[in-house]
Amino acid sequence: NAGVTQTPKFRVLKTGQSMTLLCAQDMNHEYMYWYRQDPGMGLRLIHYSVGEGTTAKGEVPDGYNVSRLKKQNFLLGLESAAPSQTSVYFCASSYSLWEQYFGPGTRLTVT
Amino acid sequence: AQKVTQAQTEISVVEKEDVTLDCVYETRDTTYYLFWYKQPPSGELVFLIRRNSFDEQNEISGRYSWNFQKSTSSFNFTITASQVVDSAVYFCALRGPEKLVFGKGTKLTVNP
Repeated sequence: NAGVTQTPKFRVLKTGQSMTLLCAQDMNHEYMYWYRQDPGMGLRLIHYSVGEGTTAKGEVPDGYNVSRLKKQNFLLGLESAAPSQTSVYFCASSYSLWEQYFGPGTRLTVT
Repeated sequence: AQKVTQAQTEISVVEKEDVTLDCVYETRDTTYYLFWYKQPPSGELVFLIRRNSFDEQNEISGRYSWNFQKSTSSFNFTITASQVVDSAVYFCALRGPEKLVFGKGTKLTVNP
């Protein structure tokens, strides 16, 4: 089992460009999440999904959109990147309310 | 509202010392879960332990132990005889009905 994988691992964008981060899990988990991690801020929840076809806003959703068309995939989109979105992005999945399993992270720089 | 406080931002110890990482939480839920995660310098997040609100038994796993006390809303993590490989950022987290709320983490440096 690969667990949780994220694509890409690194990306540099210019302000105003768009991109999509892909998260895939092979554990048949219902719940999936996108977090961002910034120095001194810990992990902050951007959006999450409790099942295929559902999404919900987390703590810091502005500037991001998500889709969960398939149970195993959770996409995070940035429509118009801003320097404030420079961060490390983590995807996670879980079986119900239990522990979350995290992907390796995507380091995004917006110049 | 749920909140997790890790008051210790950074801790530095010498190898073989014992170290305790503090975690204090706030929640109005009667059913909740508490977690500890480790983030080594390589960056990945590794799950260490889960505790539910009905189980106040302390847990020991090798050199790691966890002390859960509902009376003080604390879920502290102790590393006995620390090693250099324990150097990492450790996050405490609280899970309510749907979301997981993380503390800001404690950076532990174990010096040889």
